[in-house]
Amino acid sequence: EVQLVESGGGLAQPGGSLRLACAASGFTFSSYEMNWVRQAPGKGLEWLSYISTSGDTIYYADSVRGRLTISRDNAKRSLYLQMNSLRAEDTAVYYCARMRGYDEEISMGGEFDYWGQGTLVTVSA
Amino acid sequence: DIQMTQSPSSLSASVGDRVTITCRASQTISRFLNWYQQKPGKAPRLLIYATSNLQTGVASRFSGSGSGTEFTLVITSLQAEDFATYFCQQTYTTPRITFGQGTRLEIK
Repeated sequence: EVQLVESGGGLAQPGGSLRLACAASGFTFSSYEMNWVRQAPGKGLEWLSYISTSGDTIYYADSVRGRLTISRDNAKRSLYLQMNSLRAEDTAVYYCARMRGYDEEISMGGEFDYWGQGTLVTVSA
Repeated sequence: DIQMTQSPSSLSASVGDRVTITCRASQTISRFLNWYQQKPGKAPRLLIYATSNLQTGVASRFSGSGSGTEFTLVITSLQAEDFATYFCQQTYTTPRITFGQGTRLEIK
């Protein structure tokens, strides 16, 4: 059974840092691109970051570039999100999501077929 | 960035009703459009990918159609478990994908 389990959320001070982790099981982690998506309380879904299977190709949403760093450790079957310079507006549930069907040659397509349960990040003094 | 606009933002319906949710893109996205269902406190669940392909395990009362800039999700014969929020997602500009703002489907 495919499982993605996030951890590392919690309360952080403005300007502080957190490192989120996503532990994968039930599939060949190294064969799938991965993403982070967040959802502020009562709001919609916001894509944050993408990482290729090898970790060589990374993209960020403009809203978080420079403050978030995505990484993966295929040997540990884990995905990470380092979050620095946290702001109140970063308060959200953070999800990791597996991507399927992405055509890297044309940079199109794909869907998020499995999601973790989410981890809540609260930024407040 | 491609903007995705869903309509309506909320919708009340009864069990057994047929429901249509629309997603419009600010520019053409061919058929690179996915639909997700999210229930309170839960992660989103993939329903339909590439406009009209039903994800494994999803009930056949869900269907999707469209191309270019306008897409629809149809739920025929609503069931109690279908009351949730639905999001569309464009993957024309993958990995820089965007979601619609969501449509909340409530019980009338």
